[in-house]
Amino acid sequence: EPEVTQTPSHQVTQMGQEVILRCVPISNHLYFYWYRQILGQKVEFLVSFYNNEISEKSEIFDDQFSVERPDGSNFTLKIRSTKLEDSAMYFCASRPLGGYTFGSGTRLTVV
Amino acid sequence: DAKTTQPTSMDCAEGRAANLPCNHSTISGNEYVYWYRQIHSQGPQYIIHGLKNNETNEMASLIITEDRKSSTLILPHATLRDTAVYYCIVRVSMNYGGSQGNLIFGKGTKLSVKP
Repeated sequence: EPEVTQTPSHQVTQMGQEVILRCVPISNHLYFYWYRQILGQKVEFLVSFYNNEISEKSEIFDDQFSVERPDGSNFTLKIRSTKLEDSAMYFCASRPLGGYTFGSGTRLTVV
Repeated sequence: DAKTTQPTSMDCAEGRAANLPCNHSTISGNEYVYWYRQIHSQGPQYIIHGLKNNETNEMASLIITEDRKSSTLILPHATLRDTAVYYCIVRVSMNYGGSQGNLIFGKGTKLSVKP
């Protein structure tokens, strides 16, 4: 069964550093998403990406965040200057016209 | 905010049916009911969705009341591996072209399946 693949599974970074989280969506999917989940809290929508541009973003997705699909297969989330409160599980998801497939997540720890 | 209300937690004996309720009294005519689950910080997993008819797949059954204000997800023979947080989400169908589709997660129901 096709999977959404995320790397790394766990990343530790120092506060203020840039971090790039990587995702390989399912190849024939059209819509791509990033969600995050702070430990013990709800899964929160960050951004959706369609037709090579951001289609929706939440208030969490401020100027410190950016997304790219540089080569038609990878889908990345960049945090320019990480803060302690960015520590969370970050989930990538993709879908065709129908339902979602989520990746297994990257646990980001900012120290 | 999530447009659904679910119990915070439920227990179920292994091998028995797990019935997870969801209230969505403000659901609109074009909104579907989606169910996802999350097993211990893994990525959410799609289970089933429906509009007004009852639905069944290899994972579960979805029973939607006639007035569509509530629904029940049924796991017919719960196993220990079904222990997870179950999310009921209402939103317009994703079976169309367009840019919408983000999911709004509530707190869900933590289902504990016990031996």
